[in-house]
Amino acid sequence: QQQVKQSPQSLIVQKGGISIINCAYENTAFDYFPWYQQFPGKGPALLIAIRPDVSEKKEGRFTISFNKSAKQFSLHIMDSQPGDSATYFCAASMSNDMRFGAGTRLTVKP
Amino acid sequence: DAGVTQSPTHLIKTRGQQVTLRCSPKSGHDTVSWYQQALGQGPQFIFQYYEEEERQRGNFPDRFSGHQFPNYSSELNVNALLLGDSALYLCASSLGSGTGGTGYTFGSGTRLTVV
Repeated sequence: QQQVKQSPQSLIVQKGGISIINCAYENTAFDYFPWYQQFPGKGPALLIAIRPDVSEKKEGRFTISFNKSAKQFSLHIMDSQPGDSATYFCAASMSNDMRFGAGTRLTVKP
Repeated sequence: DAGVTQSPTHLIKTRGQQVTLRCSPKSGHDTVSWYQQALGQGPQFIFQYYEEEERQRGNFPDRFSGHQFPNYSSELNVNALLLGDSALYLCASSLGSGTGGTGYTFGSGTRLTVV
């Protein structure tokens, strides 16, 4: 059922560094691309999202870059902090169906 | 303002049994979507309920069924449990159906273990 491929599976970054997570999708009918952050024992929480008519969206330290022709999008976390350590999921959706990537476990070392 | 509430938090069932999970949506939301998240994987869409009807369904067998009540709360029922049904079951609420995932608020989930 997975139509969204996410990489890397895990990522270790030093405090202050840049974390980059990549996703690729197959179905061009997807029209909404959110990123979710999930801490252990909690449900996913929306971090930032983009529509395919925009190539980049920035909210604070978080930026989504979107390449419609390549069917790829990525999350950049600037000035990564230990509190950013969590699992990040990209997703792509259309209508009522949202497909998630397999997740990236990010560890930010102090 | 209460968020999405799911119960129970944890549950252990025996293979072949039936289970019912419950979800109360965020205040002001009228749509409930259910997801299954296996360990180390992303959530997978089970189905969505709006106006007490199943609006869309993912690739899950008929053993998975649901219901939505007039107060917008929802239940997920799984019959004839298999070991592979062990997972975190997430409920997401939103306002209106067909919103393409926008405005979703997730609960903390129910951890189901089938032994």
